[in-house]
Amino acid sequence: QVQLQQSGPGLVKPSQTLSLTCAISGDSVSSNSAAWSWIRQSPSRGLEWLGRTYYRSNWYNDYAISMKSRIAINPDTSKNQFSLQLNSVTPEDTALYYCARGLVATGNALDYWGQGTLVTVS
Amino acid sequence: SYEVTQPHSVSVALGQTATITCGGKNIGSKNVHWYQRKPGQAPVLIIYRDSNRPSGIPERFSGSNSGNTATLIISRAQVGDEADYYCQVWDSSTGVFGGGTDLTVL
Repeated sequence: QVQLQQSGPGLVKPSQTLSLTCAISGDSVSSNSAAWSWIRQSPSRGLEWLGRTYYRSNWYNDYAISMKSRIAINPDTSKNQFSLQLNSVTPEDTALYYCARGLVATGNALDYWGQGTLVTVS
Repeated sequence: SYEVTQPHSVSVALGQTATITCGGKNIGSKNVHWYQRKPGQAPVLIIYRDSNRPSGIPERFSGSNSGNTATLIISRAQVGDEADYYCQVWDSSTGVFGGGTDLTVL
């Protein structure tokens, strides 16, 4: 059974960096058949995909165009986890943040999700 | 960038069939995934690749996808089906969610 456990601060000051971590159990961040995404949810924007990291003989990242200038998603193979860093945050970045797994076999559907972390920018 | 459009809300009588649409240009050529999100809970995958149900999802949930519209069908709607439903596709390695549909069971 795959489990994703999120951690990180719930309060970030404007202009600072939001940092969250997603620890994986039951799968590997280095899996050739999975990709690891961050998604956020806010009342104004619904669900918004932010980006992902995945391993296919090399490490790759895909990011939402709206985030590209200030986002980084990185794997940590030693701890079997991946992280989200979002720079220069504003109150607009206040949201419930989720990590999730996408599996190639299911067309990269997001089949397992973390518990969510409410991040307030204030 | 690619956009997918969902109705803001749908109502269905208890025991009847609910239909939630997801519109996008030539969406029939893409894999569409559907998620259910209840208050205070993480989203749950209920349909993947247009019409496939993950293990544990009731047969009452089904999906189709053709042309410019993908459809989620919930048969014999129950009060427990009240939730937000989101469609999602991948476009040029970018994830795209619909705006979500609030399902009310009357």
